[in-house]
Amino acid sequence: EPEVTQTPSHQVTQMGQEVILRCVPISNHLYFYWYRQILGQKVEFLVSFYNNEISEKSEIFDDQFSVERPDGSNFTLKIRSTKLEDSAMYFCASSEGAGPLHFGNGTRLTVT
Amino acid sequence: GQQLNQSPQSMFIQEGEDVSMNCTSSSIFNTWLWYKQDPGEGPVLLIALYKAGELTSNGRLTAQFGITRKDSFLNISASIPSDVGIYFCAGQRAPSGTYKYIFGTGTRLKVLA
Repeated sequence: EPEVTQTPSHQVTQMGQEVILRCVPISNHLYFYWYRQILGQKVEFLVSFYNNEISEKSEIFDDQFSVERPDGSNFTLKIRSTKLEDSAMYFCASSEGAGPLHFGNGTRLTVT
Repeated sequence: GQQLNQSPQSMFIQEGEDVSMNCTSSSIFNTWLWYKQDPGEGPVLLIALYKAGELTSNGRLTAQFGITRKDSFLNISASIPSDVGIYFCAGQRAPSGTYKYIFGTGTRLKVLA
């Protein structure tokens, strides 16, 4: 069964550094998402992306965050200058449209 | 707002028991999803519900889309140790143009063998 893949599985970075989290969505899906989950908390929406542009973003997704689909398969989340509070699991998801989201296994980001 | 509250927050049950949990909101949703999350992994889809009143099963799991469209319920029958995990509901308010889902606060299930 096709799946969403994310790399790396764990990223450790120093405060102020830039990180790029990578995702390969399911190939025939058109809608892409990033969600965040702080340890022990619920899954929070960050941003949705369709037709090569952001379709919606949450208040968490400030100017430090950006997303890109650099080629036909990858979907990336960049955090320009990481803060301690950015430490979380970051999940990529994709969907065909109104159907259910399919999630990757996440990238655990640790900011020190 | 679009807050989804899940109840109970956590529960301990004996193996073989049935489990019930629910998800409620003050807002109307057009689609409900139920996910299970194991430690260190992403949410895995269990059941999708698309119409008010819909009752859908997946093995020992049964979920219902509430008639008011503001709630959903998940039941697990004859629980087994591997049912341990966190169960999340997720709701979509269409037409939103983005198809994003809002996640609930989660129900942590622990099964005692």
